[in-house]
Amino acid sequence: EVQLVESGGGLVQPGGSLRLSCATSGFNFRSYAMTWVRQAPGQGLEWVSVISHGSMSTYYANSVNGRFTISRDDSKNTVSLQMNSLRADDTAVYYCARVVDSGYYYEGWFDPWGQGTLVTVSS
Amino acid sequence: HSALTQPASVSGSPGQSITISCTGTSSDVGKYDHVSWYQHHPGKAPKVMIFEVNKRPSGVSDRFTASKSGSTASLTISGLQADDEADYYCCSHGGSGFPFVLGTGTRVTVL
Repeated sequence: EVQLVESGGGLVQPGGSLRLSCATSGFNFRSYAMTWVRQAPGQGLEWVSVISHGSMSTYYANSVNGRFTISRDDSKNTVSLQMNSLRADDTAVYYCARVVDSGYYYEGWFDPWGQGTLVTVSS
Repeated sequence: HSALTQPASVSGSPGQSITISCTGTSSDVGKYDHVSWYQHHPGKAPKVMIFEVNKRPSGVSDRFTASKSGSTASLTISGLQADDEADYYCCSHGGSGFPFVLGTGTRVTVL
């Protein structure tokens, strides 16, 4: 069974940093791109970042570009999101998801998703 | 890159059919056949319902169908059931530099 479990969320002050992790199992992790999506309270889903297999490519939403860094450890089957210079509007539940595709990762879809981890940015 | 536009809410009675639209531009939905749809029950992990415009993953009910015309994609739920009450999001490849763009989301209510 494919499983994704996020961790690392919590309360952090504005300007602070937090590192989220997503532990995966049940599939050949190194063969898949991985992505992060977030949902702020009362808002819709927002795509955050993606990392291709082999870490060859990374992309970010404009709202987090320059502050967040996505990375992966194929030896540990984990993907991480380093979040710096956090702002109140980064408060959200952060989901990781596997990217499944039939060609290029950016043509893919997200399946499955983890349960999410809550990040709260507040003083 | 702007989010894809979806109606905020759609409702229907049990057994009825509803359709959710997802409007993009000629740079995303209109250009690529890489549209997916997700069902999200609050507090739970989102679930893919449709990929590559109109393909259903194994295990997803055939009551869920989808299509695309020009820059607008659509998801239709037939034979509406109580458990279909959830938020639904479309997603498309956004072109160079924008691998993914999500829709604004639609709350489906079963009356």
